[in-house]
Amino acid sequence: AQTVTQSQPEMSVQEAETVTLSCTYDTSENNYYLFWYKQPPSRQMILVIRQEAYKQQNATENRFSVNFQKAAKSFSLKISDSQLGDTAMYFCAFISNSGNTPLVFGKGTRLSVIA
Amino acid sequence: DSGVTQTPKHLITATGQRVTLRCSPRSGDLSVYWYQQSLDQGLQFLIQYYNGEERAKGNILERFSAQQFPDLHSELNLSSLELGDSALYFCASSVEAGRSVADTQYFGPGTRLTVL
Repeated sequence: AQTVTQSQPEMSVQEAETVTLSCTYDTSENNYYLFWYKQPPSRQMILVIRQEAYKQQNATENRFSVNFQKAAKSFSLKISDSQLGDTAMYFCAFISNSGNTPLVFGKGTRLSVIA
Repeated sequence: DSGVTQTPKHLITATGQRVTLRCSPRSGDLSVYWYQQSLDQGLQFLIQYYNGEERAKGNILERFSAQQFPDLHSELNLSSLELGDSALYFCASSVEAGRSVADTQYFGPGTRLTVL
């Protein structure tokens, strides 16, 4: 069974600084997708970024980028120029490309951006 | 706005009661997923439907059931409610055109269920 581990329950960062959230996963699959979702105080689950395992190039979305290390099964999220609106829970998630398994979430990292 | 809608936003009920949560997927999405998020916990997958058929089952209690209708909206029925069922229930949808394709899941705003 696939598992996703986020080892940092809580983090904080100063506004305008850069922060990296860690995520590791365990799978025997070769084809899969990885995601970062953000859950602000409103509790809405918002997709931040997505990475296909077959792509070596790291995904980027504006101030958000990932460091995908397939051999190490690591998928960290870097937030640059942190903004107060980035304050949220961040969940790392994994899904196999087989189409028959659910999205598996980590327990989340609570990020606080401090003015 | 993800395009996934859920009603109601909030639901307060008593133990032993039965409730129905409704979800409308994004236009064009065939798969619907239900998740439960208890206080300070991650998301637990409950069940998935694809084009009207049950596709995958997670940690869904026997007191819970779901279905997806021909117009692709889905309902999650929770019965004999207990205090521990209080949680945020999310619906998500994805295109998922075929069994070999894994698509991004977009989440609705959730239904907050409080059981008193």
